[in-house]
Amino acid sequence: QVQLRESGPGLVKPSETLSLTCAVSGVSLSGDSWWSWVRQTPGKGLEWIGEIAHSGGTNDNPSFKSRVTMSLDKSKNSFSLHLTSMTAADTAVYYCARVEFTTGGKFDYWGQGALVTVSS
Amino acid sequence: DIQMTQSPSSLSASVGDRVTITCRASEDIITFLNWYQQKPGEAPRLLIYVASNLQSGVPSRFSGSGSGTDFTLTISGLQPEDFATYYCQQSYSSLWTFGQGTKVEVK
Repeated sequence: QVQLRESGPGLVKPSETLSLTCAVSGVSLSGDSWWSWVRQTPGKGLEWIGEIAHSGGTNDNPSFKSRVTMSLDKSKNSFSLHLTSMTAADTAVYYCARVEFTTGGKFDYWGQGALVTVSS
Repeated sequence: DIQMTQSPSSLSASVGDRVTITCRASEDIITFLNWYQQKPGEAPRLLIYVASNLQSGVPSRFSGSGSGTDFTLTISGLQPEDFATYYCQQSYSSLWTFGQGTKVEVK
C-alpha cells in the first residue's frame, strides 16, 4: 500500500533553513500524482505549503514569500522541502501528502507528520 | 485566497447521534470540496472527495453534500471512533485552503 514518511530535524534555529524529506513507498513518484507539503499549527490550522510534480514542476503558496523550494529524488522515490529564514511562527507539524487529481484534487495519502520547533 | 469557514467550531454529541457539520466557501467552488477526519497525534484522513464521494474504506455512515459555496458533512449514527476533528478543504483554486476545523466531542 502507499506509505509516506517524513524525516528531518526536530529543531531548527531562527534564520536557518528547514530541510525535510518524504520517503514514498508503494507507488512511484513518476506517476500522475503530485506530491505536497502541508503544515499544521495551533494558530493557523492546516496550511498548504506547496506541491511538486514528477516532472519537477512546482506550485507553492504565495504566503510563504518565496521561501519554499521543493525537489524530487526519483532514484530514492522521495521528495524534499526546503523552507528558508525560519522563525518561531514556522514551528509546526509538517506533513507530506499525495495529491490525486483524477477525481478533483485531494490529499489521499499522508505521512505521519514531523514536528519542527524553531528555537535558539 | 478562497476562505473556508466551518460551523460549528465544536459540538458535543452522543454515540448514535446524527451529526452535521457545515463548510462555507468565500466564492463558488462548484463541488471541489473534500472532507478529512483527524484524531490527536495522527495525520488527517480523507473521508469525502468532490463534495459527495466516499473515499474507499470509509464507512457509509459518512456522507457529504452541497455545491457552490455551501457544503455539509453528515455522520449518521455517531460511533465511538468518530470523536475527532473534521476539516473541509477546497480544490477549486490552485491555492488549496482548509477550514479551521470542527471538533466533535463526547457529550
